[in-house]
Amino acid sequence: ETGVTQSPTHLIKTRGQQVTLRCSSQSGHNTVSWYQQALGQGPQFIFQYYREEENGRGNFPPRFSGLQFPNYSSELNVNALELDDSALYLCASSLDRRQHADTQYFGPGTRLTVL
Amino acid sequence: KNQVEQSPQSLIILEGKNCTLQCNYTVSPFSNLRWYKQDTGRGPVSLTIMTFSENTKSNGRYTATLDADTKQSSLHITASQLSDSASYICVVSGRSSNDYKLSFGAGTTVTVRA
Repeated sequence: ETGVTQSPTHLIKTRGQQVTLRCSSQSGHNTVSWYQQALGQGPQFIFQYYREEENGRGNFPPRFSGLQFPNYSSELNVNALELDDSALYLCASSLDRRQHADTQYFGPGTRLTVL
Repeated sequence: KNQVEQSPQSLIILEGKNCTLQCNYTVSPFSNLRWYKQDTGRGPVSLTIMTFSENTKSNGRYTATLDADTKQSSLHITASQLSDSASYICVVSGRSSNDYKLSFGAGTTVTVRA
């Protein structure tokens, strides 16, 4: 186990709804990254938070937003859900915000299905 | 075009046999390359991480190689077990101090059969 937890495990929403996914990082890890992984594909970087501020973003629209809290927990919020948002959402925590310099520890993911 | 290409997309092997997975990348400048194992419906777990100066690293029955000149890496699984059935993802990161993105391959799905 990596010490990173995510909730819920599975989630079903309908198009147009909003969803909040949660992640609890390893204690002491002040960097968290969120990824979207479609079936049969590698993870795609959504954004990274470092000490409660967004530290970088991938090619995802503004309806994907996040928060990071001082207690090493974080959230991914997605508004106006679309069918293509159906995927496994992974969070990964690390000690260093320079991703090339540190190993990321992934959570088990949240499987989101949009109907 | 993805900066990390993996092959084959999937493979099936018999328990006890060996197999080799390939990863070609174009990420530059290069910092390190990682192999992750991802069980179905779970998050990836790190197997190996290699920097520019390393050309081989082992983790039990998993051995990764790296040729930074040709930008190629391989992951060799020895004496496969049923528990090796998973997706194996190659991840490459750049050397920029401000880099916050990793480049992920699409993965190779390995199925080990008894």
